[in-house]
Amino acid sequence: EDQVTQSPEALRLQEGESSSLNCSYTVSGLRGLFWYRQDPGKGPEFLFTLYSAGEEKEKERLKATLTKKESFLHITAPKPEDSATYLCAVSFTGGGNKLTFGTGTQLKVEL
Amino acid sequence: NAGVMQNPRHLVRRRGQEARLRCSPMKGHSHVYWYRQLPEEGLKFMVYLQKENIIDESGMPKERFSAEFPKEGPSILRIQQVVRGDSAAYFCASSPEGSRDSPLHFGNGTRLTVT
Repeated sequence: EDQVTQSPEALRLQEGESSSLNCSYTVSGLRGLFWYRQDPGKGPEFLFTLYSAGEEKEKERLKATLTKKESFLHITAPKPEDSATYLCAVSFTGGGNKLTFGTGTQLKVEL
Repeated sequence: NAGVMQNPRHLVRRRGQEARLRCSPMKGHSHVYWYRQLPEEGLKFMVYLQKENIIDESGMPKERFSAEFPKEGPSILRIQQVVRGDSAAYFCASSPEGSRDSPLHFGNGTRLTVT
């Protein structure tokens, strides 16, 4: 059965304190790995798609990387506005764009 | 706002009533997905539709739940005879096609409360 596990469940950082969020996955035939950001009361907002091991993508203070078993979302010098829940999801061969989500990492960045 | 539109944002129903949730996809998108998010749980896939067709309903409960995406108008998720366990946030997402280069774009959800 396809599984996506995210860690830690919650993370508290000081402004400027860099860290990484982890997403490990078990899927037969990875088609894509997706990172989303979700703010309270809102829907998930798309950040990145990664397709193959070794691939990296960046956007402002965020950088996503992918290996054959896991993905990392690196946050460099975070700001309070980066506080949100970060969701990881995978799609698999034969599943179209159907996504299997992890339960997310709740990030709080404090001044 | 050209994003995915869901309404209502909040819906309160008594046990046994029907709930109808609506989703208008982004302009130009013909694929719609419904997800449910229970408290402290991740988003769970329910159903995938294209215009006038259900493509994959493997995540939909067998009873009381149905979905449609007519040729004209929004996609509708219908829950008959609601129970307290149906209380959750229901999210709709859309994409323009089935290729892997089309990430899903989500609406802000409908929060259903069953009293």
